Amino acid sequence: GAVVSQHPSWVICKSGTSVKIECRSLDFQATTMFWYRQFPKQSLMLMATSNEGSKATYEQGVEKDKFLINHASLTLSTLTVTSAHPEDSSFYICSANRGQETQYFGPGTRLLVL
Amino acid sequence: DQQVKQNSPSLSVQEGRISILNCDYTNSMFDYFLWYKKYPAEGPTFLISISSIKDKNEDGRFTVFLNKSAKHLSLHIVPSQPGDSAVYFCAASAAGGKLIFGQGTELSVKP
Repeated sequence: GAVVSQHPSWVICKSGTSVKIECRSLDFQATTMFWYRQFPKQSLMLMATSNEGSKATYEQGVEKDKFLINHASLTLSTLTVTSAHPEDSSFYICSANRGQETQYFGPGTRLLVL
Repeated sequence: DQQVKQNSPSLSVQEGRISILNCDYTNSMFDYFLWYKKYPAEGPTFLISISSIKDKNEDGRFTVFLNKSAKHLSLHIVPSQPGDSAVYFCAASAAGGKLIFGQGTELSVKP
C-alpha cells in the first residue's frame, strides 16, 4: 500500500530555534501534500496545502511566516516551524493524495518546545 | 462552525458484535468521505472511503453507508475485534482535496 513517511518522529528544541519536518511519499508522486496538527484529545486541524512548484495555501489563522512550507519535488514537502515557542508544541502530521478518494497520512512528528 | 461532526465521543462493543460509528456533515458539496483509525501519537490509518455519488462501499469487515438526504454517514465493523479498539475519525473531502475531520469516536471492543 501507499506509504508516507515523516522525519523526525519526535523533536525537542529550545524556544527560539527553528525545526524542520520532512514528509515523503515513498511509492508514489504527490503534487499536493497537506499539513495538519493535532492537540491532545482533539481532532486533526488542517494547517496548509503544499503544492509542488508553487506557494503553499494556508488555512485561516495559520501564520505563513511562522510555518514555512516548501514542496520541492513530487515526493517531498517540508514544514519549518520558525522561532518555535512552547505553544507550538504539538503533533504534526502530513498527508498525500494517491489517486481519487484516498489520502494517506504519515506517522506524525511530535514537537516539544522547551 | 463544525462542518463534520461525530457526536459520540466513545462507543463500547462486545467482541463479535457490530460496531456502528456515526458521522454527520453540513456541506452538500463534499465530494467524498473517508474513515480513519488512529492510535495516540501515530498518524491516521486509512480504512475505507465512499464517493458522494454512492450510498454504500464495503471492504472486508468494514462497510460505509452514505445517506445524502440526511447528510449522514456511518461505518459498520462486523464482527468487531479487540484489535479494532482505537479512535475513529470520519473526514470529508472539500475542494482541492483537503480533508475536514470530525472530532473522533473512541471505540472499545471488549473480549
